[in-house]
Amino acid sequence: DAKTTQPPSMDCAEGRAANLPCNHSTISGNEYVYWYRQIHSQGPQYIIHGLKNNETNEMASLIITEDRKSSTLILPHATLRDTAVYYCIVRVEKTGANNLFFGTGTRLTVIP
Amino acid sequence: DAGVIQSPRHEVTEMGQEVTLRCKPISGHNSLFWYRQTMMRGLELLIYFNNNVPIDDSGMPEDRFSAKMPNASFSTLKIQPSEPRDSAVYFCASTFRSPGERGTGELFFGEGSRLTVL
Repeated sequence: DAKTTQPPSMDCAEGRAANLPCNHSTISGNEYVYWYRQIHSQGPQYIIHGLKNNETNEMASLIITEDRKSSTLILPHATLRDTAVYYCIVRVEKTGANNLFFGTGTRLTVIP
Repeated sequence: DAGVIQSPRHEVTEMGQEVTLRCKPISGHNSLFWYRQTMMRGLELLIYFNNNVPIDDSGMPEDRFSAKMPNASFSTLKIQPSEPRDSAVYFCASTFRSPGERGTGELFFGEGSRLTVL
């Protein structure tokens, strides 16, 4: 199973870009990288996912290195509401199931 | 649109009692997941249904846990008998999967059911 490694916590000033790194050095060629976040007392919320190319949506950008062993989630202009735990997940396919295994994530604190 | 609806939001019970958690997935979704979250273990996948059929229940802790999905719009997670170590937040999530589609896509999570077993 591909594992992910994330820093346990990060701070970011409000209005600045938040860059959240993730290492997934054992990722397989056809495994996607997913990012979710969990705001306190809420269910996890999908942010973005990608395979090889960089991806961008209304919430964030995902930069995946060429060797796919690491990625960075970018929140271009962090707000206080972006304070949450951010999970980087590599999907594991097992006997036909499509599971997401959440690690411990990065606790991002956006500072006023 | 209504999201994934879970009930109860909070449950406090005594050890040995039966607990039933309920989930209504988003209409049109054909895959449903039950997760459990604790401080010690984080988010753990318990079981996954596709088209109402359990596909992978390897995450179910033990025989005290059971999950059913009698139809596309309803699922239950039952714990009998409950124990203090079952105290956690239980999340239900749903998504739509096309046949043969790779990847999980976007999972939509409910607000969770916080269970406290005394």
